[in-house]
Amino acid sequence: AQTVTQSQPEMSVQEAETVTLSCTYDTSENNYYLFWYKQPPSRQMILVIRQEAYKQQNATENRFSVNFQKAAKSFSLKISDSQLGDTAMYFCASFSGNTGKLIFGQGTTLQVKP
Amino acid sequence: GAGVSQSPSNKVTEKGKDVELRCDPISGHTALYWYRQSLGQGLEFLIYFQGNSAPDKSGLPSDRFSAERTGGSVSTLTIQRTQQEDSAVYLCASSLGLAGARGELFFGEGSRLTVL
Repeated sequence: AQTVTQSQPEMSVQEAETVTLSCTYDTSENNYYLFWYKQPPSRQMILVIRQEAYKQQNATENRFSVNFQKAAKSFSLKISDSQLGDTAMYFCASFSGNTGKLIFGQGTTLQVKP
Repeated sequence: GAGVSQSPSNKVTEKGKDVELRCDPISGHTALYWYRQSLGQGLEFLIYFQGNSAPDKSGLPSDRFSAERTGGSVSTLTIQRTQQEDSAVYLCASSLGLAGARGELFFGEGSRLTVL
């Protein structure tokens, strides 16, 4: 079974600082992918970053990077140089490469303060 | 339209009534997902359709919930005998086969259900 757990319901960070959002997951599969999605108040889901489980190298996308610890089943998101526009709810998600099933965590609400 | 379309965008109903929520995915997308998001909460997986395979219904919270996908396109989520705890935003998403692995999942704007 796939599960995704985000243990931080809310976080805040000062503009221009760095923040890390935590995520742990569980799966019995070897073929899976991990994502971070952003959901601003508009409710539209936006893909922030993705990681193939078979890759050891941590994914990066501009100010966003992940710390993928496969053995620990941990997948945290680091946001550098936080901007006001980063204020949103962030969801960690696990995708099964075998079945296509996509499971989300409970979400972390991030507020970036000026 | 080019995106995932959901209707109605808002639905207010009385406890005990049945409701139907519709999702029209992007043309050609074989995978379709339904999620439920309660106020300020995460996305709870409900059901997943992939092509002609049997749907994964493991997330449906009770037998009052059902979903179907006709002709591999439009999907309808039905909630019978609605309860107040069913109040939430119901999100639909679609992707092209297993393109979801690339994060190419397209979400609708959701249907907000309020049960009085």
